Amino acid sequence: QQPVQSPQAVILREGEDAVINCSSSKALYSVHWYRQKHGEAPVFLMILLKGGEQKGHDKISASFNEKKQQSSLYLTASQLSYSGTYFCGTENNYGQNFVFGPGTRLSVLP
Amino acid sequence: GAVVSQHPSWVICKSGTSVKIECRSLDFQATTMFWYRQFPKQSLMLMATSNEGSKATYEQGVEKDKFLINHASLTLSTLTVTSAHPEDSSFYICSARAGAAGNNEQFFGPGTRLTVL
Repeated sequence: QQPVQSPQAVILREGEDAVINCSSSKALYSVHWYRQKHGEAPVFLMILLKGGEQKGHDKISASFNEKKQQSSLYLTASQLSYSGTYFCGTENNYGQNFVFGPGTRLSVLP
Repeated sequence: GAVVSQHPSWVICKSGTSVKIECRSLDFQATTMFWYRQFPKQSLMLMATSNEGSKATYEQGVEKDKFLINHASLTLSTLTVTSAHPEDSSFYICSARAGAAGNNEQFFGPGTRLTVL
């Protein structure tokens, strides 16, 4: 079952922060985050496993709330290069039922 | 990160012809390869999952006889769109995973844009 992402789209000024949420109606085993720029393939950002993981790299971090069946991606001090569509992908069980969310379109303006 | 290539990058064909798209993992052995289809401004829709040496598992609503998938080796999977029609025009993306799911990410190919006239 496809996870729900919010917001659908967001416009930021360079340097502002953003949060993208991904939630599922079913229990999750893992949440994957990818970014896709127009006309290009998705690029992996990070994976979070059940157990309440939080991860980060540079100014992008994410958390996984197993109880709430949701994950949030945090973009701090946005850069122009952060523009793109962010997809979360979820697995309900180990190695099963991987499905991408509908995506969140992020635009960072100068 | 690992590199996945797709060939061709784009193809234009006439209705009724068959088109083959290759997906290769260049620097790792892919236990599993995935084929996605993406329409403009939409999410990636999983079409099928293939494991080397076994038959592909197709998602509901995807015609097995129309979208033939072969995963002949740990580095190569092919998708053949048979008797293509204009409604098959789309962006087809493959991805490859080195191990089992969970903490193994998918590495995506650059995609193939298919246009059927």
